[in-house]
Amino acid sequence: QITLKESGPTLVKPTQTLTLTCTFSGFSLSTSGVGVGWIRQPPGKALEWLALIYWDDDKRYSPSLKSRLTITKDTSKNQVVLTMTSMDPVDTATYYCARRCQSVTTAYFDYWGQGTLVTVSS
Amino acid sequence: EIVLTQSPGTLSLSPGERATLSCRASQSVSSSYLAWYQQKPGQAPRLLIYGASSRATGIPDRFSGSGSGTDFTLTISRLEPEDFAVYYCQQYGSSLYSFGQGTKLEIK
Repeated sequence: QITLKESGPTLVKPTQTLTLTCTFSGFSLSTSGVGVGWIRQPPGKALEWLALIYWDDDKRYSPSLKSRLTITKDTSKNQVVLTMTSMDPVDTATYYCARRCQSVTTAYFDYWGQGTLVTVSS
Repeated sequence: EIVLTQSPGTLSLSPGERATLSCRASQSVSSSYLAWYQQKPGQAPRLLIYGASSRATGIPDRFSGSGSGTDFTLTISRLEPEDFAVYYCQQYGSSLYSFGQGTKLEIK
């Protein structure tokens, strides 16, 4: 059974750095083709892809947020960490982590965490 | 960066009717890299379709996907009450991912 769960602060102040952790089970991030990504969703708005890290430590970022994001993995702990600097109220959103499918010939997110709501406010 | 535009923004239909949702890409997308998700209030998105036309595990056969190039379609043949939700398309291209802005399917 594959599960993912996000954890981190529910409230951050403007200009602070957000650190979110995705803890997963049921698969290994050392398996070829596998990746874990972060996607966010402001209240009442659409999904926005942020970043993804692959089994081989290749990392990809949304061009519009690249300068503010860092994604890392700890394979031994089954965790992926996302940091986002210079937080602003517009970054208020539910942040999801999700598993990228194992196949290298297609690309979709097959398992998702429940999401964690992060509010940016002073 | 590929931009996905979904239409209509809101679709009002009755149970039993057929729903057709559109996803248009700003440049060509490989069919292998186009997926659809369903999201209900307070829940995480659920994968429906991958590879443009393959149903994910456990997805009823009333859901089908089609299309190629820049135009893709999600069709729900006969709407059930549980199908009223928001639907997103997602693509992978040039090593990046993106989602459409969503179509809300509401009960008429």
